[in-house]
Amino acid sequence: EAGVTQSPTHLIKTRGQQATLRCSPISGHTSVYWYQQALGLGLQFLLWYDEGEERNRGNFPPRFSGRQFPNYSSELNVNALELEDSALYLCASSSDGASNQPQHFGDGTRLSIL
Amino acid sequence: DQQVKQNSPSLSVQEGRISILNCDYTNSMFDYFLWYKKYPAEGPTFLISISSIKDKNEDGRFTVFLNKSAKHLSLHIVPSQPGDSAVYFCAAKAGGGNKLTFGTGTQLKVEL
Repeated sequence: EAGVTQSPTHLIKTRGQQATLRCSPISGHTSVYWYQQALGLGLQFLLWYDEGEERNRGNFPPRFSGRQFPNYSSELNVNALELEDSALYLCASSSDGASNQPQHFGDGTRLSIL
Repeated sequence: DQQVKQNSPSLSVQEGRISILNCDYTNSMFDYFLWYKKYPAEGPTFLISISSIKDKNEDGRFTVFLNKSAKHLSLHIVPSQPGDSAVYFCAAKAGGGNKLTFGTGTQLKVEL
């Protein structure tokens, strides 16, 4: 069974640009989560999508947004990039959003802002 | 406000011995707890979880203990193996929000 896949592995952008990160969940999983791990900090919850809808949002500005497609894959968009957005972005999926099911993570996209 | 705390940034254990990783939390609404292992350049790998209605859960070499009154959980690895060397994160979830709150991790090194 294929795990959570993320692309690209690395992404280099400059300040003010936009970044798009992609995630494919484990087959059969309907919930997708995004987390940010900045240098020296723990994993911080960004967004949760389930059945195509945004269900919960972490304490991040509106320039962080995303969507979930009918096939349950997801995109994370970061607009007006700032230096502090440099981080590892991790996507996770779970079989549903209603019960206590573990979230399974991909290997992340390393976003570097120059 | 660090709601999930792992106070030991690192732990060194000899191969074959028990590794005990600790985690404390402050939010009494947390009702589901998980442990993840992370190797460099990889995403976190789910190890084991426990619901707040239990106080112990075992899976092979891994056992998680939950002490709700102390707001404390621990992960026991017996016996420890060199391949267990990684960063271990505990995480917690409150109700149906599905947001995981993570600790800052403990680097475990299992020495030969």
